[in-house]
Amino acid sequence: DAGVIQSPRHEVTEMGQEVTLRCKPISGHDYLFWYRQTMMRGLELLIYFNNNVPIDDSGMPEDRFSAKMPNASFSTLKIQPSEPRDSAVYFCASSFDGQGDGYTFGSGTRLTVV
Amino acid sequence: AQSVAQPEDQVNVAEGNPLTVKCTYSVSGNPYLFWYVQYPNRGLQFLLKYITGDNLVKGSYGFEAEFNKSQTSFHLKKPSALVSDSALYFCAVRDNAGNMLTFGGGTRLMVKP
Repeated sequence: DAGVIQSPRHEVTEMGQEVTLRCKPISGHDYLFWYRQTMMRGLELLIYFNNNVPIDDSGMPEDRFSAKMPNASFSTLKIQPSEPRDSAVYFCASSFDGQGDGYTFGSGTRLTVV
Repeated sequence: AQSVAQPEDQVNVAEGNPLTVKCTYSVSGNPYLFWYVQYPNRGLQFLLKYITGDNLVKGSYGFEAEFNKSQTSFHLKKPSALVSDSALYFCAVRDNAGNMLTFGGGTRLMVKP
């Protein structure tokens, strides 16, 4: 298995633009997590899905952020409109049963909003 | 609510010396404890876990961790550090009823030649 695949690896966009981050989880994993990592706040859980259904989105910073999982093999995290403070590394992770050692992280998307 | 504390932002150690990265936790019920490592420009990688059994857990790359229930700690250790061990280390916890991991703030380990 190629692991959790995220795209793009790097994204530079102008303030106000829409940004879409993509994630392909490991086949057979039924949990999917979106995390954000910054120097100031460390690793934050934004939202997670179980069997394609959003379970907890309390970590989503504001309405500008939205996430979808239309099927078991694809998820998106969208920011519209983007702001400079959204600059961070965004990680996607997937898990077979939500237990810790089943978490496999992607390589992340480094987002820079200028 | 469960929580994890990693009291040191950075740990510096000379190559060949033993290293310890500290972690304390708070959780209701029995804890499931984990260590992850993050190398530059990479995602987090699973290193080791404690679920039950022996308090000393051995993991990848020669790392081990000691579970101490009375001190609610799960410190990461290695007898002899390598320069290649330099990375960001995260401790995480979940209770035995939940599916979610709670991560600590991370500790940057710097191993100098």
